[in-house]
Amino acid sequence: GAVVSQHPSWVICKSGTSVKIECRSLDFQATTMFWYRQFPKQSLMLMATSNEGSKATYEQGVEKDKFLINHASLTLSTLTVTSAHPEDSSFYICSANDRGDSSYNEQFFGPGTRLTVL
Amino acid sequence: SQQGEEDPQALSIQEGENATMNCSYKTSINNLQWYRQNSGRGLVHLILIRSNEREKHSGRLRVTLDTSKKSSSLLITASRAADTASYFCAPAAGANNLFFGTGTRLTVIP
Repeated sequence: GAVVSQHPSWVICKSGTSVKIECRSLDFQATTMFWYRQFPKQSLMLMATSNEGSKATYEQGVEKDKFLINHASLTLSTLTVTSAHPEDSSFYICSANDRGDSSYNEQFFGPGTRLTVL
Repeated sequence: SQQGEEDPQALSIQEGENATMNCSYKTSINNLQWYRQNSGRGLVHLILIRSNEREKHSGRLRVTLDTSKKSSSLLITASRAADTASYFCAPAAGANNLFFGTGTRLTVIP
């Protein structure tokens, strides 16, 4: 149980285009979903936290107009990288909390999406 | 900063040996979690230790927590080549957010 999927697993796009990444909790309802970015050999950096039906909370330094997050249901959150540029190339990972286990904040991670902007 | 800091940054051992990784943090925590990441993949939750616990075991994993020193350690016993990965600690201060350090890159040589 507690499986999180991401789609696509990798994407290559031209500079200036927008890319949407989906994050789904497959067998549980997620109270909260998180979006991270990871550059090669570096740690995961939390970008934003989203709760179903409300606006995402962005970490300092993350442009909310650049990285649009929609959390339309308890099982789906999307991250749209708008007008992508080569410096946005990174590994994007989502995670989710299990709504039924709110006592601890264990997160279940998706497999990640590798974005390459040419 | 809320993030954990792992030490060492890299560790290379022979298969069968034990591997110990340390984590230090600066804030008060509700619990501390350890995750593993294989190259180019998502994270896998390994173990969660609550602030009122001092030691926890899960299979070949042993985690200790010393809240007075704001430190934790992860011991992997009888290591296997498949244990090769990056290991991250994530101190959790009660909110949902986890803040990861740069991790320890473990290489287990067959």
